[in-house]
Amino acid sequence: DGGITQSPKYLFRKEGQNVTLSCEQNLNHDAMYWYRQDPGQGLRLIYYSQIVNDFQKGDIAEGYSVSREKKESFPLTVTSAQKNPTAFYLCASSAMTGRTFFGQGTRLTVV
Amino acid sequence: AQSVTQLDSHVSVSEGTPVLLRCNYSSSYSPSLFWYVQHPNKGLQLLLKYTSAATLVKGINGFEAEFKKSETSFHLTKPSAHMSDAAEYFCVVSADFYNNNDMRFGAGTRLTVKP
Repeated sequence: DGGITQSPKYLFRKEGQNVTLSCEQNLNHDAMYWYRQDPGQGLRLIYYSQIVNDFQKGDIAEGYSVSREKKESFPLTVTSAQKNPTAFYLCASSAMTGRTFFGQGTRLTVV
Repeated sequence: AQSVTQLDSHVSVSEGTPVLLRCNYSSSYSPSLFWYVQHPNKGLQLLLKYTSAATLVKGINGFEAEFKKSETSFHLTKPSAHMSDAAEYFCVVSADFYNNNDMRFGAGTRLTVKP
């Protein structure tokens, strides 16, 4: 089965800690994206990558970091610099001229 | 459980003619519904959202959608297509807008606009 896998579905973090959200795809897609959703808002783009070893900041990149060492993987690290990390995070991937596929999301809660 | 079905994988219109992108949903709750657009090599952009207020929702770029509970539909329309509207469009349903652990995306509709 081809698709995108995000793990874990629920994640808890203590204040001041970094945490990494996993996103893996086996669709051979070049482009991958990370989005954040907050109450009452739509999805907002954090980072995106169109090719291995390259990525660009989205609209709300502050307090986040990413890497794209492999085509299949695009992990997102929520750093302690992110002031309001509690949110729903969604990963997506797409071929350059094809459909976009979405993961099931990870809900991060800071305790 | 909830799901969303976009009835057309591809829609082609001529510039200046109306656009209709169809979306049916299934939800056990009063749903929140969204339409997003994705242009090539760009991220998702929110067009509009329905969260149990007015059933006719106006969005950006001249798009609007009407929530019809009796038909479980949330179709996206625009009176006159522009070349820049060519993109992929996603209908999304969520049981709880403020706690989106259970968002469901449609498969997407690719809109082509012919000159």
